[in-house]
Amino acid sequence: EVQLVESGGGLVQPGGSLRLSCAASGFTFSSYDMHWVRQPTGKGLEWVSGIGSAGDTYYAGSVKGRFTISRENAKNSLYLQMNSLRAGDTAVYYCARGSEGFDPWGQGTLVTVSS
Amino acid sequence: QSVLTQPPSASGTPGQRVTISCSGSSSNIGSKNVYWYQQFPGTAPKVLIYRNDQRPSGVPDRFSGSKSGTSASLAISGLRSEDEADYYCAAWDDSLSGHVFGGGTKLTVL
Repeated sequence: EVQLVESGGGLVQPGGSLRLSCAASGFTFSSYDMHWVRQPTGKGLEWVSGIGSAGDTYYAGSVKGRFTISRENAKNSLYLQMNSLRAGDTAVYYCARGSEGFDPWGQGTLVTVSS
Repeated sequence: QSVLTQPPSASGTPGQRVTISCSGSSSNIGSKNVYWYQQFPGTAPKVLIYRNDQRPSGVPDRFSGSKSGTSASLAISGLRSEDEADYYCAAWDDSLSGHVFGGGTKLTVL
């Protein structure tokens, strides 16, 4: 069974940093693009960042220069390093496999940026 | 303000056919594939339609997708109470070099 499990969310002060992780299982992780998508409570979805199977990276304009996506194929893991966090970054962060769309998604991890 | 434009809400009665529109531009829908996602409260989204009009296995054929020019549509026929959810369209945007979503449409089954 294909499964994605996020971790690392929590409460952080504005200007702080947080690193999210996504553990993948049930498929050949190294062969797929992977993505982070976020959703503020009660609001819509926003694509944050993606990384190709070859390691090429892509970012939404709202996080470029502050967030860094990476992957460790040997550990079947995806990461999102988030720096200079702002209140507007508060959201549930989902990791998703890039396969005929974003499929599947993890259960999400909540990031709250507040003093 | 989302790059892709969806109506915030839609509704229908059981058995009816409902369509949800998604409007974009030449840099996204006009030249790229469109995807549709279904999300129930408190759960992660699930892909409903991929590559404009393809259904993943397990998705009922009551759901169908179409695309024309810079717009796309999701149609749900034989509406059922369990279809009540939020629906999002998405596509790659060449100008932004990133994926973009519509603002989402909340479907209510009356």
